[in-house]
Amino acid sequence: GAVVSQHPSRVICKSGTSVKIECRSLDFQATTMFWYRQFPKQSLMLMATSNEGSKATYEQGVEKDKFLINHASLTLSTLTVTSAHPEDSSFYICSHPGLARETQYFGPGTRLLVL
Amino acid sequence: AQKVTQAQTEISVVEKEDVTLDCVYETRDTTYYLFWYKQPPSGELVFLIRRNSFDEQNEISGRYSWNFQKSTSSFNFTITASQVVDSAVYFCALSSSNTGKLIFGQGTTLQVKP
Repeated sequence: GAVVSQHPSRVICKSGTSVKIECRSLDFQATTMFWYRQFPKQSLMLMATSNEGSKATYEQGVEKDKFLINHASLTLSTLTVTSAHPEDSSFYICSHPGLARETQYFGPGTRLLVL
Repeated sequence: AQKVTQAQTEISVVEKEDVTLDCVYETRDTTYYLFWYKQPPSGELVFLIRRNSFDEQNEISGRYSWNFQKSTSSFNFTITASQVVDSAVYFCALSSSNTGKLIFGQGTTLQVKP
């Protein structure tokens, strides 16, 4: 199956700073990528759909100005958490669908801790 | 609206016991996909199975088996002769054939004790 990487795998930052998380599709040209968020001991929730060459679409309740998504190439989507606060501490996972959208290829996730 | 319900929050069994994880879903789509994922403490999601809405055949893979019943909108997962390494959080998920977006259930934490 396709390989997806995320960088960094873990990040600790101070409140008020911005953090960028990269999601790379290593062997597949992904026109669409998804960003999920998972708070401790909770389920994964879709945050947004990243579309190559166009604006991301955000799920209800997700602030687009706080979670900036850029999908500038077919192999890279970035999620920037701007002015991070402790409540943004979470596990962020990206994925992209396969050709027929039947399956998803997930990255290993990024743990963000905001102090 | 789409929804996935995993009513069992936590299950604890002793090694070698069989255990079934329940999953009930709601969707208005006629074509959809159902998934099970395993999430060990590392956090990385491990794909276990995908089923499309037109294929109700049950599936067995080693100690794992899945029972898909459209009549009850259920997609249950059974682990036979459980092992300590099976301890993890298990998620059932649903996706539309159009978007590929996944809707996850709340997850079931399985603890297998030696």
